[in-house]
Amino acid sequence: QQQVKQSPQSLIVQKGGISIINCAYENTAFDYFPWYQQFPGKGPALLIAIRPDVSEKKEGRFTISFNKSAKQFSLHIMDSQPGDSATYFCAARIEDDYKLSFGAGTTVTVRA
Amino acid sequence: DTGVSQDPRHKITKRGQNVTFRCDPISEHNRLYWYRQTLGQGPEFLTYFQNEAQLEKSRLLSDRFSAERPKGSFSTLEIQRTEQGDSAMYLCASSPQGWDYGYTFGSGTRLTVV
Repeated sequence: QQQVKQSPQSLIVQKGGISIINCAYENTAFDYFPWYQQFPGKGPALLIAIRPDVSEKKEGRFTISFNKSAKQFSLHIMDSQPGDSATYFCAARIEDDYKLSFGAGTTVTVRA
Repeated sequence: DTGVSQDPRHKITKRGQNVTFRCDPISEHNRLYWYRQTLGQGPEFLTYFQNEAQLEKSRLLSDRFSAERPKGSFSTLEIQRTEQGDSAMYLCASSPQGWDYGYTFGSGTRLTVV
């Protein structure tokens, strides 16, 4: 049973556009929400992460928005570039635990 | 140290054979994890080591799977009597003590059971 539900499964965006990926969870014990980026043939790489006491976190062109009451969080990729074409995974961790529960992933294609 | 290293990158084996994968974590990381990723899915937790101690095994890790981390350095994951359902990417990750650094994943071992 997937503890983190991710959508959409895939998206296509034009260069310079905004990519938005959404995740939802049920377990209120989750207290850490990272996003990972994975290129073909590579392992996932940590992109950005947020804790539930913060509603938004921005790092460069990547922003996480967090809605604790709705139990939802999203990744926004601003000014999308062809090099952003990858699969993105949201994840969540229970406080004091060490293992992550991942979403199913979103494949982003940025067209030049 | 350039990151988490996994070997081999690809393995094709016949059903019923045993396979072993190796992971070399970042040297200063005392925590090591194994995850499995099937096509179109996110990684799923298999097992976790802190130094040489295996502290948790997922119910996904059947009796045919065994993992070790002798001396708290590299780790091996062995699958005995492989089945077609074992075909997946096996990912190793490591992290230092303290969570906020997150995981560093290796590039994985792609297993195909024919």
